Amino acid sequence: DAGVTQSPTHLIKTRGQQVTLRCSPKSGHDTVSWYQQALGQGPQFIFQYYEEEERQRGNFPDRFSGHQFPNYSSELNVNALLLGDSALYLCASSTFGTGGNTEAFFGQGTRLTVV
Amino acid sequence: SQQGEEDPQALSIQEGENATMNCSYKTSINNLQWYRQNSGRGLVHLILIRSNEREKHSGRLRVTLDTSKKSSSLLITASRAADTASYFCATDAMNRDDKIIFGKGTRLHILP
Repeated sequence: DAGVTQSPTHLIKTRGQQVTLRCSPKSGHDTVSWYQQALGQGPQFIFQYYEEEERQRGNFPDRFSGHQFPNYSSELNVNALLLGDSALYLCASSTFGTGGNTEAFFGQGTRLTVV
Repeated sequence: SQQGEEDPQALSIQEGENATMNCSYKTSINNLQWYRQNSGRGLVHLILIRSNEREKHSGRLRVTLDTSKKSSSLLITASRAADTASYFCATDAMNRDDKIIFGKGTRLHILP
């Protein structure tokens, strides 16, 4: 049983470019949440997807968008990249409605470097 | 925005000693969780404590929760080199909006 998988593991992009990160949730999970973690900081909630819709959003600009597919996998897109977007991007999967009642399973993250 | 705030930000102890980390949060919660992160990798769930619980144990881990003070502590007993990592508390919200919010973490370093 595969856990949460994220791709790619590392990525280098130039300012102004666009990037797409991918996440496959743990088997049996239907909800994907995305987090941004800057160096030395805690993960910051970006948004959450369930039933192919964005259900909640953190304090991130519209440059950050996402998508969820019928197989529950998800993409995170960031447009017009800024140097400050350099971070570890984490995907977490869970079952909708359980909220903080059960553990979230995290992928190993995608390390994005913007130069 | 951060909901929880861990204290201390960094902690170095000798192997075999106990390590205590604290977390304070701002709003009422249903549950509080602790996670570990090794060197910029994914987060690993350690323990979940519900708002109606005061203490919980899992192996060498002991977590307490004081909802009146909006605080929690994580105690790791008989620390090992492999415990070197960052530790985060994460809370949900009473409105059950399904997201969990992390603090800034405590960086624990176990000295040989």
